[in-house]
Amino acid sequence: EAQVTQNPRYLITVTGKKLTVTCSQNMNHEYMSWYRQDPGLGLRQIYYSMNVEVTDKGDVPEGYKVSRKEKRNFPLILESPSPNQTSLYFCASGQAEDQPQHFGDGTRLSIL
Amino acid sequence: AQSVTQLDSQVPVFEEAPVELRCNYSSSVSVYLFWYVQYPNQGLQLLLKYLSGSTLVKGINGFEAEFNKSQTSFHLRKPSVHISDTAEYFCAVSVPNTGNQFYFGTGTSLTVIP
Repeated sequence: EAQVTQNPRYLITVTGKKLTVTCSQNMNHEYMSWYRQDPGLGLRQIYYSMNVEVTDKGDVPEGYKVSRKEKRNFPLILESPSPNQTSLYFCASGQAEDQPQHFGDGTRLSIL
Repeated sequence: AQSVTQLDSQVPVFEEAPVELRCNYSSSVSVYLFWYVQYPNQGLQLLLKYLSGSTLVKGINGFEAEFNKSQTSFHLRKPSVHISDTAEYFCAVSVPNTGNQFYFGTGTSLTVIP
């Protein structure tokens, strides 16, 4: 089954404790992205990647890091999380710019 | 940067009535346009997309959208809604040759009333 898998689905943690949200896709897609969804703001792109070792900043990259060492994986790293990063996060993958993205089920992060 | 405006944050509509969800975007260049639906506690699913060609595009679940270049709009319509259409709807824009930059609207919450 074609899917984008995110882990964990839920996480409550404290300010400053490094965390990683993993994302894996099994569709051999070139493109991958991370978004955060906040009430009233819709989805905002954090980082995106066109291929292995190629990543770019989206609209809201501050406080986040990503890496693309393998085609299927695109982890999101919060080196020093802060409460304003409490949000619902989505990973997505796509075959090309003119193709729709496939979304994971989301990760709800709460930073206390 | 692009911007995508969804003019209505909440749209209540009675079952079997028609609905239109509005989306406008700002761009002086050609873009790809998408509508996604999000059901509670789920990720986003594609409803339909416009890349080029015919300005009326049909999607899943009886939805359709019309691209209007002069008004930079891409409104979503359904002639008769069902209870199961209750969800959050997002309009999105992708700009060609930018390496997968996507811009989403703030979403429209559609509530179908029995």
